[in-house]
Amino acid sequence: DVKVTQSSRYLVKRTGEKVFLECVQDMDHENMFWYRQDPGLGLRLIYFSYDVKMKEKGDIPEGYSVSREKKERFSLILESASTNQTSMYLCASSFRVVGSREQYFGPGTRLTVT
Amino acid sequence: SQQGEEDPQALSIQEGENATMNCSYKTSINNLQWYRQNSGRGLVHLILIRSNEREKHSGRLRVTLDTSKKSSSLLITASRAADTASYFCATSGANNLFFGTGTRLTVIP
Repeated sequence: DVKVTQSSRYLVKRTGEKVFLECVQDMDHENMFWYRQDPGLGLRLIYFSYDVKMKEKGDIPEGYSVSREKKERFSLILESASTNQTSMYLCASSFRVVGSREQYFGPGTRLTVT
Repeated sequence: SQQGEEDPQALSIQEGENATMNCSYKTSINNLQWYRQNSGRGLVHLILIRSNEREKHSGRLRVTLDTSKKSSSLLITASRAADTASYFCATSGANNLFFGTGTRLTVIP
């Protein structure tokens, strides 16, 4: 079974802190994704990566950066957390094929910024 | 936006009844996928239907796709309390998916 793990289920940080969210997958997937999920807005793509050291902006990259140094690990970084970044963050991975294959999701990290 | 839109936003049915939820989208697609999310958890892939397919089955799930109307439906037959979850459609881009806002299904025992 594909397993996607995220470093924390719940996280509470203060405004201005630097926050790292880690995601690891064990299926040798090329693609990895970071989404945030907010009530009434569904899932919105922040960044994705289709290879090591490669990254592409999604729909809402402002205030975030990412790092992919190894194929299995994709990190989301909030350089200076703000209250409007309080959200559920979901990581996903998939094989890289034309037309998009199914994505496998981690359990999510609920981040609260106070 | 390529984002799909699910309808209804919320649905409440009795156990044993069928549940139907719909998805509309705006652009051409390679495939359309349905996912389930239990409360506070990650999404789980349910089924993928390609643009050249009209109907697909998986266990108690039946998905239809009408590319001329840019719409899809997900039917869950003989629902169970464990089917209570949010259901999302996702349309495929070149490298990523575009998710709708979901249908919240409640199955009452």
